[in-house]
Amino acid sequence: ETGVTQSPTHLIKTRGQQVTLRCSSQSGHNTVSWYQQALGQGPQFIFQYYREEENGRGNFPPRFSGLQFPNYSSELNVNALELDDSALYLCASSRTNVETQYFGPGTRLLVL
Amino acid sequence: KQEVTQIPAALSVPEGENLVLNCSFTDSAIYNLQWFRQDPGKGLTSLLLIQSSQREQTSGRLNASLDKSSGRSTLYIAASQPGDSATYLCAVSSNNNDMRFGAGTRLTVKP
Repeated sequence: ETGVTQSPTHLIKTRGQQVTLRCSSQSGHNTVSWYQQALGQGPQFIFQYYREEENGRGNFPPRFSGLQFPNYSSELNVNALELDDSALYLCASSRTNVETQYFGPGTRLLVL
Repeated sequence: KQEVTQIPAALSVPEGENLVLNCSFTDSAIYNLQWFRQDPGKGLTSLLLIQSSQREQTSGRLNASLDKSSGRSTLYIAASQPGDSATYLCAVSSNNNDMRFGAGTRLTVKP
């Protein structure tokens, strides 16, 4: 059984640019959630996708958007990057939206 | 708004010691509570999941308890080992899709 994978592992961008992060969910999982983890903090919920539809959103502006594909993989897009967007971005998949979430290794984004 | 607090922020113990990590939450209307482990720069590994109807869960040397009415959970680690050194995060789900995390407890187990 393949675990959750994320790409890229590291990324450096400049202010104002756009970025796309990718996540492949664990086999048999139809729910993907995205989190932002700033240094020294716990992860903060960005949004969740269930069967290709957004199924809940945290307190993040519209420039954070996402997609889920028919194979349940997912993308997180961030437009107009700001310095405070520098963080570890974590993706988690689950069999349903109330079961254990399995996390990927994360993508570390640095905005200069 | 659900808020999750973890105490202490950091803990250093000698190998072999039993220890308790604490987690408190402000809204007792939760679906479940999870404890995770995070190694530096890495993703999260789920340790234990306690459903709202349960009082505790055990896995090996780990035992997690849940007291919904008081908004508290504890993670007990028996006979700690240097390999247990990591940050431990507690997270509560108050609806179907919003998991709220504490800031974590950074544990160091000294040989």
